[in-house]
Amino acid sequence: DGGITQSPKYLFRKEGQNVTLSCEQNLNHDAMYWYRQDPGQGLRLIYYSQIVNDFQKGDIAEGYSVSREKKESFPLTVTSAQKNPTAFYLCASSIALAINTEAFFGQGTRLTVV
Amino acid sequence: GQQLNQSPQSMFIQEGEDVSMNCTSSSIFNTWLWYKQEPGEGPVLLIALYKAGELTSNGRLTAQFGITRKDSFLNISASIPSDVGIYFCAAFAGGTSYGKLTFGQGTILTVHP
Repeated sequence: DGGITQSPKYLFRKEGQNVTLSCEQNLNHDAMYWYRQDPGQGLRLIYYSQIVNDFQKGDIAEGYSVSREKKESFPLTVTSAQKNPTAFYLCASSIALAINTEAFFGQGTRLTVV
Repeated sequence: GQQLNQSPQSMFIQEGEDVSMNCTSSSIFNTWLWYKQEPGEGPVLLIALYKAGELTSNGRLTAQFGITRKDSFLNISASIPSDVGIYFCAAFAGGTSYGKLTFGQGTILTVHP
């Protein structure tokens, strides 16, 4: 089955640690996205990538980093510089460079700082 | 930056009632999408709209792409308890924001049996 897989489902981080969230898709989509969702809030864009080896900052990129070495994979690293990392993180993908397109989401990773 | 203003923020309705929610923006968008999110899960795509004025149905759901390309609405007819969740509008823009997907703040729907 084609889809987007995020792992892990739950992640706990100690203060000062970097952690990496995984996102893999087998939909052959060019574009991939990372969003952050806080309780009762909408989705805020962290980073997005329209093609391998290229990515753009979203609205809240500070304290996060990404890489796009393969079309299928778009890992997100939450660095120690992110002061309030506890949130629900969602990865999505879509066909890029197309006006009429749809975006599909993974199941999310809930990150908690302990 | 681009923003989608989604309303209402929340709705409490009785089973069987119809529901209407909408999204507006000051910017023009090329594609409007409507998602439903259940607790602890990722959003699931309900309806995609590609053309200004387009009206599309998916079962009890109907959505329209505003003629000005700056708004969209979603209607749910004859609501049932499993309609409970958060509904988000989202849109793809063109120009320098090409490929960037913007979301509304969501509408929390509660259905009382």
